[in-house]
Amino acid sequence: GQQVMQIPQYQHVQEGEDFTTYCNSSTTLSNIQWYKQRPGGHPVFLIQLVKSGEVKKQKRLTFQFGEAKKNSSLHITATQTTDVGTYFCAGLVNTNAGKSTFGDGTTLTVKP
Amino acid sequence: NAGVTQTPKFQVLKTGQSMTLQCAQDMNHNSMYWYRQDPGMGLRLIYYSASEGTTDKGEVPNGYNVSRLNKREFSLRLESAAPSQTSVYFCASSFARGPQGYEQYFGPGTRLTVT
Repeated sequence: GQQVMQIPQYQHVQEGEDFTTYCNSSTTLSNIQWYKQRPGGHPVFLIQLVKSGEVKKQKRLTFQFGEAKKNSSLHITATQTTDVGTYFCAGLVNTNAGKSTFGDGTTLTVKP
Repeated sequence: NAGVTQTPKFQVLKTGQSMTLQCAQDMNHNSMYWYRQDPGMGLRLIYYSASEGTTDKGEVPNGYNVSRLNKREFSLRLESAAPSQTSVYFCASSFARGPQGYEQYFGPGTRLTVT
């Protein structure tokens, strides 16, 4: 079945450093979504990418969708303590089913 | 709008007991999902429902049943709870139509412990 691999599993950074998490799918995706889960919380939708090569920005966060629509990345510039949490990607293969496969997430900790 | 609501928030069961987790959404979404998340792990799909009246198995359906009661409600039932089902359970919903409508909105979760 479809697999979505996410690396790294953990990332510890000093406040102000940059952070990147990568997502790779074994199959071509219709779209990819990114979510953030704060410790003890529930996943919260951040953004959805649909087009090949698409780049979207949300303040210090930059999201990219690969040309082949099999990989994606989330880059955070100048991390802050509020960025702490686990970031998940989710790849959609079959739009009829509306079912996405989640990666295992990257947990970010930020040292002040 | 409340978004996605789940009840109960916490539950402790003894092995062999049964229970139903309730989920409701008020966003007129078509698809609904049940996930489990074990400590330090990702989200694993238990069951999903692409529309009212339909349900399909996800990657870890054993030991669970679901019911899509109407467009708003999607319940998850544990018939005979086992310690391996100790987890946090999240319900989610999605419009799941058109080119942009696949983002999922999650409920606050149910923290279940089976002893």
